[in-house]
Amino acid sequence: GQSLEQPSEVTAVEGAIVQINCTYQTSGFYGLSWYQQHDGGAPTFLSYNALDGLEETGRFSSFLSRSDSYGYLLLQELQMKDSASYFCAVRDNTDKLIFGTGTRLQVFP
Amino acid sequence: DAGITQSPRHKVTETGTPVTLRCHQTENHRYMYWYRQDPGHGLRLIHYSYGVKDTDKGEVSDGYSVSRSKTEDFLLTLESATSSQTSVYFCAISEPRSRHNEQFFGPGTRLTVL
Repeated sequence: GQSLEQPSEVTAVEGAIVQINCTYQTSGFYGLSWYQQHDGGAPTFLSYNALDGLEETGRFSSFLSRSDSYGYLLLQELQMKDSASYFCAVRDNTDKLIFGTGTRLQVFP
Repeated sequence: DAGITQSPRHKVTETGTPVTLRCHQTENHRYMYWYRQDPGHGLRLIHYSYGVKDTDKGEVSDGYSVSRSKTEDFLLTLESATSSQTSVYFCAISEPRSRHNEQFFGPGTRLTVL
């Protein structure tokens, strides 16, 4: 089967750093993506890792270890507006995405 | 922002009635997708299309059909709606083999089946 595991909820305070982990078990793997979704909104793309290592985009970074079937999203200098749900998604060999169930991040002042 | 619209944005219908949701894009992207989003399940793929008249089933396709007669439009039809199809439906588009495999999502349609 295909499955992605991520924590259901994470809390943190403004200015802190938070890491959201994702482990996957899929029949095909071409890359790991991260999407952000605010309540009532649509998912929006954050980052993508096809190769092992760290990708940095401003305050957000994403890491992938293909040998461990593991990745994480790192959010630094947290702001209130970062409160949202974050989804990891595996890209399979037909360009489809298989999404995890999402991690709800709550940032407190 | 990617030019993707969905209509209607909200719909309430009764069990057994047919329902069609429309996704329209102005980006000329080749790939289009329909997802449903339910609490605890994340986004699940219903059907997808790799081009005009080229569609295939996703993970949760039972009870749904799709059509794509033009590049810009992708229709999702519930032939006979059931309460289990109450959900938020998202359309997405992408370009094949794009570097980041980025999918752009529409604003969603909230469907309630009574």
